[in-house]
Amino acid sequence: EIVMTQSPATLSVSPGERATLSCRASQSVSSNLAWYQHKPGQAPRLLIYGASTRATGIPARFSGSGSGTEFTLTISSLQSEDFAVYYCQQYNNWPPLTFGGGTKVEIK
Amino acid sequence: QVQLVESGGGVVQPGGSLRLSCAASGFTFSNYGMHWVRQAPGKGLEWVAFLRYDGSNKYYADSVKGRFTISRDDSKNTLYLQMHSLRAEDTAVYHCAKDVTGGRFDYWGQGTLVTVSP
Repeated sequence: EIVMTQSPATLSVSPGERATLSCRASQSVSSNLAWYQHKPGQAPRLLIYGASTRATGIPARFSGSGSGTEFTLTISSLQSEDFAVYYCQQYNNWPPLTFGGGTKVEIK
Repeated sequence: QVQLVESGGGVVQPGGSLRLSCAASGFTFSNYGMHWVRQAPGKGLEWVAFLRYDGSNKYYADSVKGRFTISRDDSKNTLYLQMHSLRAEDTAVYHCAKDVTGGRFDYWGQGTLVTVSP
């Protein structure tokens, strides 16, 4: 099983600032890595797939990078609606599909 | 637009059974694999099960293997999760999710809460 590790667990950021979230895989997942945004009581939303491709309708302030075992999600200028929990997920080698533990982006 | 609406959650005693449903609309349901993913209180997301679009392959997390069964009725555009021998650690919000290109999810439902408690 591929273990996904996200850091930090919580990120405190002021609106308008840049947020950088990290995700590490226990073995290479190539570029088969997705990022999701999840707000309480809502359906998770796909942001990024293929490590760096924005999903349909996702604003350009969201960007993904990395390959192999190290990945980054960057939100260039945080908006109020971006405060949420973010999860990375590998789909290179499954079952099982595995998620990171999540990074909560909160208002500073 | 794509909609996934889960139902069937509730409170059940340990050892009990429950069947969850996921009603799909806005896409050709029979053409896509589907997943169940859960989130225990205060925890992260955990993949539970997958069913291929044609029903030919089913995969389960080790934590539910032998107790949960995923199935679908394409005539009703509905995905199911039959859960038996429920344990306290199965307490979670259960989401269904639409698969795209094998193993990633492009649409999710809001989820249904399952509580396993005496």
